Amino acid sequence: GESVGLHLPTLSVQEGDNSIINCAYSNSASDYFIWYKQESGKGPQFIIDIRSNMDKRQGQRVTVLLNKTVKHLSLQIAATQPGDSAVYFCAENFVGGYNKLIFGAGTRLAVHP
Amino acid sequence: DAMVIQNPRYQVTQFGKPVTLSCSQTLNHNVMYWYQQKSSQAPKLLFHYYDKDFNNEADTPDNFQSRRPNTSFCFLDIRSPGLGDAAMYLCATSRDKNQPQHFGDGTRLSIL
Repeated sequence: GESVGLHLPTLSVQEGDNSIINCAYSNSASDYFIWYKQESGKGPQFIIDIRSNMDKRQGQRVTVLLNKTVKHLSLQIAATQPGDSAVYFCAENFVGGYNKLIFGAGTRLAVHP
Repeated sequence: DAMVIQNPRYQVTQFGKPVTLSCSQTLNHNVMYWYQQKSSQAPKLLFHYYDKDFNNEADTPDNFQSRRPNTSFCFLDIRSPGLGDAAMYLCATSRDKNQPQHFGDGTRLSIL
């Protein structure tokens, strides 16, 4: 469903550790998923995407895993850096005639030195 | 170089005074979207244009309208802003359906 939360969950990690951000999506018919990073005062920035015919996709330092059975998506960031500190949103493409993205509630990632 | 450009970055208007936010793109994408984002919340889709076809979300207030005079530009018009309309407004584009959306850095709207 649509995000309505007022308080973002926060994941705190040490610089150099791996981070895992989780997301539960709402629609079993969704066929395309995107992770976005949003820094303060900026728009969401595309990180990585995955289509429903895949269960894993890797980018530079990032990996997205998709588990359609339980409608779960995760973003793994290797060797987390201070510049990774931001709010991360997952988004599902709602299949219904046009490209409507439904965003998850978001997770704030705080990287400590 | 920025590919989705929103102007202005900050806009202040008075309660009830019409305001227009603008978005331009250099990507030549077919689809342009407007989202509203309130503090600590996810972006919420208001409407989108697929080329010249306008698609309004069912829960978008009538107070919000949009224009797309050509491929590159899209405008968000708020006819009579209320205090609850204070938010970040994000423009996004995508080449086609089921393709990644690329966002601008938004316009933060304040209502006095």
